[in-house]
Amino acid sequence: EPEVTQTPSHQVTQMGQEVILRCVPISNHLYFYWYRQILGQKVEFLVSFYNNEISEKSEIFDDQFSVERPDGSNFTLKIRSTKLEDSAMYFCASSEQRGNQPQHFGDGTRLSIL
Amino acid sequence: GQQVMQIPQYQHVQEGEDFTTYCNSSTTLSNIQWYKQRPGGHPVFLIQLVKSGEVKKQKRLTFQFGEAKKNSSLHITATQTTDVGTYFCAWSSGSARQLTFGSGTQLTVLP
Repeated sequence: EPEVTQTPSHQVTQMGQEVILRCVPISNHLYFYWYRQILGQKVEFLVSFYNNEISEKSEIFDDQFSVERPDGSNFTLKIRSTKLEDSAMYFCASSEQRGNQPQHFGDGTRLSIL
Repeated sequence: GQQVMQIPQYQHVQEGEDFTTYCNSSTTLSNIQWYKQRPGGHPVFLIQLVKSGEVKKQKRLTFQFGEAKKNSSLHITATQTTDVGTYFCAWSSGSARQLTFGSGTQLTVLP
């Protein structure tokens, strides 16, 4: 079964540094998402991406965050200047089409900010 | 604004006992999805409900969507140790149908 893949699985970064989290969505999927989960808490929506542009973003997704689909397969989340509170698990997800479709999640990247 | 509560937050059961988690919304939901997250894992889609009063079954799991589409439940019959994890309700909204997750119920099954 096709999977969403994320790299790296764990990223440790000094506060103030830039990080890029990478995702390869399922190949025929059209909608891409980033979510985050702070340890022990619920999954929170960050941003959705369709047709090479952001569809919606939450209040968490401030100017420090950006997303890009640099080629036909990768989908990246960049945090420009990381803060301690950015420490979380970041999940990429994709869905086949619009509508109430199930979303397929990657294994996540655990981001630790020191 | 919309308020959704998922209860209980934690549930410990003996293997073989039943388990139920509930999601209750202050407003009508167009749909509800259920996801399971194993410890250290990622959310995995279980089911989607869209119709008022809908009931769906997957082996020992029974999912219900209330008549008013304001509440939903997931019931597991005769739990097994493989059922351990956190169960989240979620609903899609917005132009890209992004998910909003409930707070989750963490299930522990004691052998």
